[in-house]
Amino acid sequence: NAGVTQTPKFQVLKTGQSMTLQCAQDMNHNSMYWYRQDPGMGLRLIYYSASEGTTDKGEVPNGYNVSRLNKREFSLRLESAAPSQTSVYFCASRDREREGCFGPGTRLTVT
Amino acid sequence: QKEVEQNSGPLSVPEGAIASLNCTYSDRGSQSFFWYRQYSGKSPELIMFIYSNGDKEDGRFTAQLNKASQYVSLLIRDSQPSDSATYLCADTGFQKLVFGTGTRLLVSP
Repeated sequence: NAGVTQTPKFQVLKTGQSMTLQCAQDMNHNSMYWYRQDPGMGLRLIYYSASEGTTDKGEVPNGYNVSRLNKREFSLRLESAAPSQTSVYFCASRDREREGCFGPGTRLTVT
Repeated sequence: QKEVEQNSGPLSVPEGAIASLNCTYSDRGSQSFFWYRQYSGKSPELIMFIYSNGDKEDGRFTAQLNKASQYVSLLIRDSQPSDSATYLCADTGFQKLVFGTGTRLLVSP
């Protein structure tokens, strides 16, 4: 069981470039989430997917898009990166009740 | 909009003491919460899930949920320096998973 995996672990982008952060889980969880974490700001929800085929906006969706490719995979896309998107990005998954697991994170720097 | 509030700390306790971490929430309908621990530079790891009013114990950790007062707490008994981390409370809600900003705990030897 790998749990939740994320790629890449580190990325440096120039302003205006695009990229996709990949996330996969092997725990058969229905719900998946993307968060960003900035110093002093806690975990802020970008988008979430309650089940395969559905996605919804969280607190800070502007500048991002997501795709729930199948039950295992949930990707986050930055179409035109901005310095304000420099952050650590975490993917998480959970079942209805008791399990909530995070991936190792992606450290993104936009210059 | 659901909100979860935590004191950012740091909360400083000596080794062997009880650390008490608190979280308040805004949604009266909320019924279940996660507590996560996050070491600096690492991802959050789940330490407790609590669903109903009352206490839930797991080793040195006890979670308490008080729906009437809308707060959740986490007690860490016999605190160890290795418990020094940020503790995050999360409202598991209907579909969202909403976090507080976390409380930094420092346990001194």
